[in-house]
Amino acid sequence: EIVMTQSPATLSVSPGERATLSCRASQSVSSNLAWYQQRPGQTPRLLISSASTRATGIPARFSGSGSGTEFTLTISSLQSEDFAIYYCQQYNNWPKTFGQGTKVEIK
Amino acid sequence: QVQLQQWGAGLLKPSETLSLTCGIYAGPFSGYYWSWIRQPPGKGLEWIGEINQGGITNYNPSLKSRVTISADTSKNQFSLRLTSVTAADTAVYYCAREHPGPNFYYFYIDVWGRGTTVTVSS
Repeated sequence: EIVMTQSPATLSVSPGERATLSCRASQSVSSNLAWYQQRPGQTPRLLISSASTRATGIPARFSGSGSGTEFTLTISSLQSEDFAIYYCQQYNNWPKTFGQGTKVEIK
Repeated sequence: QVQLQQWGAGLLKPSETLSLTCGIYAGPFSGYYWSWIRQPPGKGLEWIGEINQGGITNYNPSLKSRVTISADTSKNQFSLRLTSVTAADTAVYYCAREHPGPNFYYFYIDVWGRGTTVTVSS
């Protein structure tokens, strides 16, 4: 099983600032990596697939990068609605594993 | 726009069988994988397994001995069955659609159901 490790566990950021979230895979997953956002009490929402492709309707302030074992999700200027938990997931191998999540909170 | 609507029993006793169904509305069954994911209270996401139109399934080894995912393409539905539940199976269970990536071989989740809270308690 591929283990996905996200860091940091919690990120405190002021509105308007940049947030950088990391995701590391225990072995290469190529570019088969997705990012999801989960707001409190809500269903997860796809942000990024194929490591860097924004999903339909996702604002341009969200960007993804990386390949192999190291991935990054960047939120260029945090808006109030962006404070949430973010999960990465690899879909290169079965089982399709998630990271433990990074909580982005208001500083 | 495709929507997923899920239903099933929300309260179970230990040793009982969890059974959930997910209906697919405004979208085809073919061309995708259909999966189940769960989230224990206050915790992260766990992928349970998936099925496609041809009935091909893939399961998480941690649950494989207790899980069955099946599909009824005539009704545009797929189902989850988890036997011998314990308190550790208490979670929100999501059904989801998996969309093919650029090479049509790797599939990622792009649509989620609203989730069903399942509680296992004696």
